[in-house]
Amino acid sequence: NAGVTQTPKFRILKIGQSMTLQCTQDMNHNYMYWYRQDPGMGLKLIYYSVGAGITDKGEVPNGYNVSRSTTEDFPLRLELAAPSQTSVYFCASRHTEAFFGQGTRLTVV
Amino acid sequence: QQQVKQSPQSLIVQKGGISIINCAYENTAFDYFPWYQQFPGKGPALLIAIRPDVSEKKEGRFTISFNKSAKQFSLHIMDSQPGDSATYFCAASKVWSNDYKLSFGAGTTVTVRA
Repeated sequence: NAGVTQTPKFRILKIGQSMTLQCTQDMNHNYMYWYRQDPGMGLKLIYYSVGAGITDKGEVPNGYNVSRSTTEDFPLRLELAAPSQTSVYFCASRHTEAFFGQGTRLTVV
Repeated sequence: QQQVKQSPQSLIVQKGGISIINCAYENTAFDYFPWYQQFPGKGPALLIAIRPDVSEKKEGRFTISFNKSAKQFSLHIMDSQPGDSATYFCAASKVWSNDYKLSFGAGTTVTVRA
């Protein structure tokens, strides 16, 4: 049982580049979330989805986009990377308990 | 504005001692209060959770105490072990909501010295 799988684990981007962080879950959960984790700041919600085809903004959505074409996948897109987006990104899915992926450590230089 | 406030930011405890982490929340509609444990390089994992209809829940060496009137809850780690060294997050959410979002505290880094 894989749970929530995120790729890549690490990535270095140059300012202005774009990338997609992949997230897939095999638990058939409707609710999925993207968080960023910065030191001493806890987990901040970027975007979330309550089901395929439905997404909404969280606390810190600027600079990001998401899509949810299937129940399993919830990719996060960075269009124009900025140094402020250097962070660790976590994807989660939830029925009652929330399950998190292993995270993607992104550095923008 | 952070909906869940967590303290302390870090703590050091001797092996066998008690670690106590406190959280306070603002939204009285919250009715699910989980604690997550995170080891370096890993994602958070559910440790223990409580609903507001009970004042305490214990699982092994981990206990949640909940004070609804004060809007506070805490995690107690009894007989702390070096393997408990991790970052702990409290969180809160509304079970019956259309988004089921979790609001997290800022986290507490616990170091258990052997």
